[in-house]
Amino acid sequence: VQLVESGGGLVQPGTSLRLSCAASGFNFNDYAMHWVRHVPGKGLEWVSSINWNSGTITYADSVKGRFTISRDNAKNSVYLQMNSLRTEDTALYYCVKDGGAWIQLWLFDSWGQGTLVTVSS
Amino acid sequence: EIALTQSPGTLSLSPGERATLSCRASHSDNTNYLAWYQQKPGQPPRLLIYGASSRATGIPDRFSGSGSGTDFTLTISRLESEDFAVYYCQQYGSSARGTFGQGTKLEIK
Repeated sequence: VQLVESGGGLVQPGTSLRLSCAASGFNFNDYAMHWVRHVPGKGLEWVSSINWNSGTITYADSVKGRFTISRDNAKNSVYLQMNSLRTEDTALYYCVKDGGAWIQLWLFDSWGQGTLVTVSS
Repeated sequence: EIALTQSPGTLSLSPGERATLSCRASHSDNTNYLAWYQQKPGQPPRLLIYGASSRATGIPDRFSGSGSGTDFTLTISRLESEDFAVYYCQQYGSSARGTFGQGTKLEIK
């Protein structure tokens, strides 16, 4: 399994950023995918999830209404559109594969290396 | 919403010693959907244990998980130098979603 994130960077509060994750080494179509973030010096926070066919999408309360998750099974990719970014969104964002095929478990069995998002004026 | 509390916050031990890490849930969701992850500096988390007691692929047998209901434990039987890291517990499944504990830092004494 390989998950490669991209799209992070330094942005100002109120602006937008789109993260991408390219997946390989497994049957992408069968698995839910997640974004989890790690605030430097703090813990892990689940951000958003999308099931195998995009039929079930969920968000943490902290990002609901600002972030949008999507996936393209033809491209083995998952995305996170982040709008109205806040300083508290500063974190390392991980793309994560779910541990259950066809059924979404919220068990995070494979992680990418992460992409850093810094929101600062 | 389930909350997970890990203890201790920091654990200082020597190689060869036994480590016992605790994770307590605010209430039980009547599953054993409890996972443990290890994170080393500069690396993503790695799944160690799922279903409270099942080791993930490639995880050495010195790592073991136990517990049920609201109280869970990760035990490392004999610490090796590469085991010093931060450990997170997580309740998974549709009711808990991605709830993590705050982490326990295991450091060399």
